[in-house]
Amino acid sequence: DAGVTQSPTHLIKTRGQQVTLRCSPKSGHDTVSWYQQALGQGPQFIFQYYEEEERQRGNFPDRFSGHQFPNYSSELNVNALLLGDSALYLCASSEGDHNSPLHFGNGTRLTVT
Amino acid sequence: DAKTTQPPSMDCAEGRAANLPCNHSTISGNEYVYWYRQIHSQGPQYIIHGLKNNETNEMASLIITEDRKSSTLILPHATLRDTAVYYCIVRPYNYGQNFVFGPGTRLSVLP
Repeated sequence: DAGVTQSPTHLIKTRGQQVTLRCSPKSGHDTVSWYQQALGQGPQFIFQYYEEEERQRGNFPDRFSGHQFPNYSSELNVNALLLGDSALYLCASSEGDHNSPLHFGNGTRLTVT
Repeated sequence: DAKTTQPPSMDCAEGRAANLPCNHSTISGNEYVYWYRQIHSQGPQYIIHGLKNNETNEMASLIITEDRKSSTLILPHATLRDTAVYYCIVRPYNYGQNFVFGPGTRLSVLP
C-alpha cells in the first residue's frame, strides 16, 4: 500500500514564474493538507482540502492556491515566485475522523533563483 | 503559534532509552498530544498520539502526566537511526484542525 506520494522531488524555478506541485494521498484518505518547511524550521501550515474544497487556510498569501480532485489527489500552485518561496513543500493526508494522524510524503524541494 | 515547549536538543547513547519531554501547560480538555519525527530530507513520520492515558506502540511509549500539562516520549532502545528532529504537537479534537509544528527537539543518538 503506497503512502503519500509527491512529485516532482526537486524543482528549480526563476523568480516570477509559476509552479505546480502534485500529491497523491495514502489509500483510504480523503483529506489533504499542504505545509511549507523552510530550512531549519518546523513545517508551516498552508491549507487543507476536503471534498474538493479548501476547508482551512494558514497565513499564506493568495499567490498560494490549491485544488483537490475527485480521486482525492491534490495540487499546490504558487504564482509570482519569490526567492523566499524556496522551501520543502510537504503534502499530508488523513482520514476524515477527528483524531486521525497526518501521514506525510517526503516533499518537493523547490529552489527559486 | 505552537502550544508546546521542547528542549532544542538532546543526546542519547545507543541502546539506552531516550526520554523526550514536552510541556503543554495550556492544553485543553479536547486536545490530543501527537508526536512526529523528521529524519533529514524526509517528511515527518507519525509516531504516536494520546489524550490522557499512556500509550504504547511498536515505535515508542507516550507518558502523559495526570494534569496533562506535560508528556514524555520514550524510545526504549535508541538506535543510530532514531537520530532526528522530534515534534510534540497538541491538536484540538475538531474536524479539520491543522497541526501546528514548533521547532522540535533534535535528538542525536551517539554510538
